[in-house]
Amino acid sequence: NAGVMQNPRHLVRRRGQEARLRCSPMKGHSHVYWYRQLPEEGLKFMVYLQKENIIDESGMPKERFSAEFPKEGPSILRIQQVVRGDSAAYFCASSPDRTNGYTFGSGTRLTVV
Amino acid sequence: RKEVEQDPGPFNVPEGATVAFNCTYSNSASQSFFWYRQDCRKEPKLLMSVYSSGNEDGRFTAQLNRASQYISLLIRDSKLSDSATYLCVVKSSSNYGGSQGNLIFGKGTKLSVKP
Repeated sequence: NAGVMQNPRHLVRRRGQEARLRCSPMKGHSHVYWYRQLPEEGLKFMVYLQKENIIDESGMPKERFSAEFPKEGPSILRIQQVVRGDSAAYFCASSPDRTNGYTFGSGTRLTVV
Repeated sequence: RKEVEQDPGPFNVPEGATVAFNCTYSNSASQSFFWYRQDCRKEPKLLMSVYSSGNEDGRFTAQLNRASQYISLLIRDSKLSDSATYLCVVKSSSNYGGSQGNLIFGKGTKLSVKP
C-alpha cells in the first residue's frame, strides 16, 4: 500500500514559468490537503480538496495559484508566473476522513531562479 | 496571537536525558491535537495523538490541558535518533480564521540529542 506520492521531488523553474506539482493520495483516501513550508518556517495550510471539489482554499494566494483534484488522476497544485518568493517545500497530505491526522508525502521542493 | 505557539529551541540534551516540549493554542473550539515529528528536509510524520486523559507511547508521553489551552510532550531516555523538530498540531472543529477544521501547525521545537 503505497503512501502519499508526490512528484517531482525537486523542481527548478525560472521566474515567470509555470510550476505543476502532483500528488497521489494513499489508496482509499479521498481528502487531499496542500501545505507550504518556507525555509525555517512552519507548515502553512493552502487548500483542501475532495474529488472534483475544492472545499477550503482560504490559505491559497489570490493570484497565480490554483489546485484541482480531478475524478481520475492526481491532485495538481499549479503556480503560474513563479517568483523567487514561491521557493519552498510543498507538501501534500491525505486522509480517509476529517477526524484523524494526515499522512504526508515526501514533498516537492520548488526553487525559482 | 498565533494560533499555535511553540518554543523554537533548540533543545540540546545528552543521551538519556528527559526533555519536555510545550505548546499553546488560541482557539478554544479546537478538538483534536497531535504531535508530529519532522526530520531535516523530510515530511512531517505523525508521532502521536493527544487526548484529554493524557497518553503514553513507549518513551513518549503527551498531555492536554483544555482549560489552559496547553499541550505538552515528554520524551524520556532520549536517543540520538530522537533528534528532529517536533511539531505541535491542532485541528479546529469550526471555521476559525478560515481553517475550517484543517490541521494547524506550530513552527516546531528543534531537539538535538548529543552522545
